[in-house]
Amino acid sequence: GAVVSQHPSWVICKSGTSVKIECRSLDFQATTMFWYRQFPKQSLMLMATSNEGSKATYEQGVEKDKFLINHASLTLSTLTVTSAHPEDSSFYICSAPDWGNQETQYFGPGTRLLVL
Amino acid sequence: GQQVMQIPQYQHVQEGEDFTTYCNSSTTLSNIQWYKQRPGGHPVFLIQLVKSGEVKKQKRLTFQFGEAKKNSSLHITATQTTDVGTYFCAGGVDSGYALNFGKGTSLLVTP
Repeated sequence: GAVVSQHPSWVICKSGTSVKIECRSLDFQATTMFWYRQFPKQSLMLMATSNEGSKATYEQGVEKDKFLINHASLTLSTLTVTSAHPEDSSFYICSAPDWGNQETQYFGPGTRLLVL
Repeated sequence: GQQVMQIPQYQHVQEGEDFTTYCNSSTTLSNIQWYKQRPGGHPVFLIQLVKSGEVKKQKRLTFQFGEAKKNSSLHITATQTTDVGTYFCAGGVDSGYALNFGKGTSLLVTP
């Protein structure tokens, strides 16, 4: 089946630094990718929709200047958490719909971010 | 906006007992998907339902999509310890669009 990878799988950083998370579709092209955030014992919350070749669409309450998204190619989207703070510590997961298959979304393995 | 409510939040069963989790949407869905997330893991796709009144089975798991396409259920027959995890439903407005996840039902199965 289709595979989505994320890198890094976990990261620890100091408050005030920026962290980049990559999401790649390994064996299919994705013009759209989604970024979710999951706090401990909570559900996944959509942060933004990443669109190849155009600006990302952010959900209400998500700061676009803080969570920078770049969909550089049909297989890569990046999420950069700028000036990270401890409250940004979370599990970040990307997904990509496989338009050529059953239009199901495939999730990456997630990135655990801990901001000290 | 669209909301997906899921109940119960937690369920603790003895191995061999049945388990059901329910999802309800405030709006009509084009499709509903179910995911399982093991502790520390990422959501794994289980199934997608598209048609009104659709019922699909995967071994001991039975998935239903309501006639009005606003509710869905996942039923596990004779639970096993390997069924432990959090089950999420996720409603889609249209194919390929972002999903709205329910809060999940955490299932604990004790031998």
